[in-house]
Amino acid sequence: AQKITQTQPGMFVQEKEAVTLDCTYDTSDPSYGLFWYKQPSSGEMIFLIYQGSYDQQNATEGRYSLNFQKARKSANLVISASQLGDSAMYFCAMRGRLSSGSARQLTFGSGTQLTVLP
Amino acid sequence: DSGVTQTPKHLITATGQRVTLRCSPRSGDLSVYWYQQSLDQGLQFLIQYYNGEERAKGNILERFSAQQFPDLHSELNLSSLELGDSALYFCASSVTPGGGLEETQYFGPGTRLLVL
Repeated sequence: AQKITQTQPGMFVQEKEAVTLDCTYDTSDPSYGLFWYKQPSSGEMIFLIYQGSYDQQNATEGRYSLNFQKARKSANLVISASQLGDSAMYFCAMRGRLSSGSARQLTFGSGTQLTVLP
Repeated sequence: DSGVTQTPKHLITATGQRVTLRCSPRSGDLSVYWYQQSLDQGLQFLIQYYNGEERAKGNILERFSAQQFPDLHSELNLSSLELGDSALYFCASSVTPGGGLEETQYFGPGTRLLVL
């Protein structure tokens, strides 16, 4: 089974500062992928960044980076230079691959509501 | 804009009724996924279709069914609706059914269903 835990229901950050959103996961799958999605108040889910369990380097996409610590089973999202438009709900998700080779479905965490203050 | 379209955007109906939600995947994507997002259950995977065939099932109620048509658009049918079915229903698409772990699912804007 897969489980994603996001322990911060809400976070506040000052505009132009960096913020870290926590995500821990639990899986017994031999390989897996971790995703972050953003959901603004309008409702759509926007893909942000991906990290594979065997990737040697932490993923980065513009102002987004993923602090991946495999031994701790954590995949925290770091947003640098926060902007007002970053205010949204952020979801961590994972997909594992069984030893048989088949891939599981995405499992989502409960989300963190980020508010960027002017 | 993800390229995934969903209609309608909003739907208000009464208990006991039946509704159909429609999804068109991104051009070139063969796989369609349906998710339900509610306050108490969070975001849950319902069902997946790949090139017209059901590929995986999640927490989908027996009152719910889906299909994917030859033109790859998909419909989610919800019947005998209950108050607890009120939620945001997302469709997502990807090229293949999760062949690569890194394959991203692109989400549509969702259909907000309110059952009164």
